Amino acid sequence: DAGITQSPRYKITETGRQVTLMCHQTWSHSYMFWYRQDLGHGLRLIYYSAAADITDKGEVPDGYVVSRSKTENFPLTLESATRSQTSVYFCASSPRWSARSYNEQFFGPGTRLTVL
Amino acid sequence: ELKVEQNPLFLSMQEGKNYTIYCNYSTTSDRLYWYRQDPGKSLESLFVLLSNGAVKQEGRLMASLDTKARLSTLHITAAVHDLSATYFCAVDTWGYNAGNMLTFGGGTRLMVKP
Repeated sequence: DAGITQSPRYKITETGRQVTLMCHQTWSHSYMFWYRQDLGHGLRLIYYSAAADITDKGEVPDGYVVSRSKTENFPLTLESATRSQTSVYFCASSPRWSARSYNEQFFGPGTRLTVL
Repeated sequence: ELKVEQNPLFLSMQEGKNYTIYCNYSTTSDRLYWYRQDPGKSLESLFVLLSNGAVKQEGRLMASLDTKARLSTLHITAAVHDLSATYFCAVDTWGYNAGNMLTFGGGTRLMVKP
């Protein structure tokens, strides 16, 4: 199906384990983003990517790693999960930015991660 | 550092009433987005406001942007239960590597009671 998908939708893991959250989009959007959503904090940007092999840190990158070898995929890895990383994670994508128009971000369905 | 503040954070209102959600931000930007999120769901784009004085309306919702005051409002007219959701504003601060990087407000949880 076209659009932006995330997997898994739900994940329970233990402290110290490595976890990878997957994000896939079929629009060939240039930009992709990872956010976490926590009560009282809204959405906070973890990492973003302007294109394949171009990534950069957002507001809360500590404890996370990303890669983008292909335009359509943008996995997020928690190298050693901690309880504070229990959250809902959203992936988003948007087309190439233009000064003459806007480019909305389109959000995936989210992954609810619980770290025990 | 850009700060985006919404108020109120929680709003309980009766059907048929009017109310306004406010979104203040701390830096210059002329692009602002409003999103809706239903419980357990993803974010859905509602409005895109691209310039000072922009006004957009969809059904019972109307959004406006005052870039000089760094303020956007989301006005609800004659609320109905189906409008119950969390509403987020997001300010666009572009960057070459990030495209339209968005900074979100904390959200306003709206409950409309019969």
